[in-house]
Amino acid sequence: EDQVTQSPEALRLQEGESSSLNCSYTVSGLRGLFWYRQDPGKGPEFLFTLYSAGEEKEKERLKATLTKKESFLHITAPKPEDSATYLCAAGNNAGNMLTFGGGTRLMVKP
Amino acid sequence: DGGITQSPKYLFRKEGQNVTLSCEQNLNHDAMYWYRQDPGQGLRLIYYSQIVNDFQKGDIAEGYSVSREKKESFPLTVTSAQKNPTAFYLCASNDRGKTQYFGPGTRLLVL
Repeated sequence: EDQVTQSPEALRLQEGESSSLNCSYTVSGLRGLFWYRQDPGKGPEFLFTLYSAGEEKEKERLKATLTKKESFLHITAPKPEDSATYLCAAGNNAGNMLTFGGGTRLMVKP
Repeated sequence: DGGITQSPKYLFRKEGQNVTLSCEQNLNHDAMYWYRQDPGQGLRLIYYSQIVNDFQKGDIAEGYSVSREKKESFPLTVTSAQKNPTAFYLCASNDRGKTQYFGPGTRLLVL
């Protein structure tokens, strides 16, 4: 059975304090590792897809990396507007479905 | 504008009542999904459909039903058999193997 675990559950940062969010996965044949941002009361917004170990993708202050067991979302010099819940999800080669982690709630204080 | 729409934004259900949540997409995606999200938790799959007139149960299908009569529409009915329906419901769609995109969600509350 596929499993995705995110840590920490919640993270408080001061503005400008860089950190990383972790996503550990166990998937039989990884099709893709997906990161989403979710604001309160809204649907998840797609950020990145990573397909193979060693791959990296960047968008503004966010950088996602992938190993054979984990993915990290690095946040460099975060701003208050980066406050949100970040979800990761893994897809396997057997089908079209995703398995989601529980999310990391990020709070950035000015 | 291409995207996924969900309605209503808020829905109130009385005891013993069936309610239907709407999901429409104009992205021409074959596959559509319904997820349930409880406070502070990730997404759990209720039902999915890979093609018109076909759908499959997800991990928590009990108390829910769906139909897929048109490619762009995938309504979800929360039946009276679902004893704990209060949650945030999310619809998503994609082309096979590609990124899933989400609608804005419907919050269901019980009166």
